[in-house]
Amino acid sequence: DVKVTQSSRYLVKRTGEKVFLECVQDMDHENMFWYRQDPGLGLRLIYFSYDVKMKEKGDIPEGYSVSREKKERFSLILESASTNQTSMYLCASSLWDRGYEQYFGPGTRLTVT
Amino acid sequence: GENVEQHPSTLSVQEGDSAVIKCTYSDSASNYFPWYKQELGKRPQLIIDIRSNVGEKKDQRIAVTLNKTAKHFSLHITETQPEDSAVYFCAAKPPSNDYKLSFGAGTTVTVRA
Repeated sequence: DVKVTQSSRYLVKRTGEKVFLECVQDMDHENMFWYRQDPGLGLRLIYFSYDVKMKEKGDIPEGYSVSREKKERFSLILESASTNQTSMYLCASSLWDRGYEQYFGPGTRLTVT
Repeated sequence: GENVEQHPSTLSVQEGDSAVIKCTYSDSASNYFPWYKQELGKRPQLIIDIRSNVGEKKDQRIAVTLNKTAKHFSLHITETQPEDSAVYFCAAKPPSNDYKLSFGAGTTVTVRA
């Protein structure tokens, strides 16, 4: 079974703090994704990566950055957290030769106060 | 980029009845259309998908139909059961070399006993 884990289920941070969200997958997947999930807006892609040290902007990259130093780990960074970044953050991964199915992590509920 | 619209946003059905969720997409060259189910407090999981060279696909009580001319696809759930209660997301994959998906806003399905 593919396992995608995220560093925290719940996180509370203050405005202006630097926030790190980490995602780890154990199935040697090349592709990794970060989404935020908000009611009525579905899953919106923030950034994705198809290889180590590679990153591509998604639909809503503003205010975020990412890091992929190892194949199994993909980090989302909020350089200076703001209240409008309060959301559920989902990480996902997929494999090149297994079609396009994405395997999701359990999510991190981030609250910025 | 690809834009996916999903309707309805909420759907309440009597147990045993059918449920239908519809999605439209904007890029006529999109070639892969998955459906994900997210139960309360859990991660989204792929339940069925269809490629652009197929008009219909069925898996037990769920089926997906694709109308490429009209650029829409639908999820059909027959004989609904309480465990079908969840948020359902449709998605479309544009014809790019990356593996990213564009998701709809989601439909919350409630099956009434």
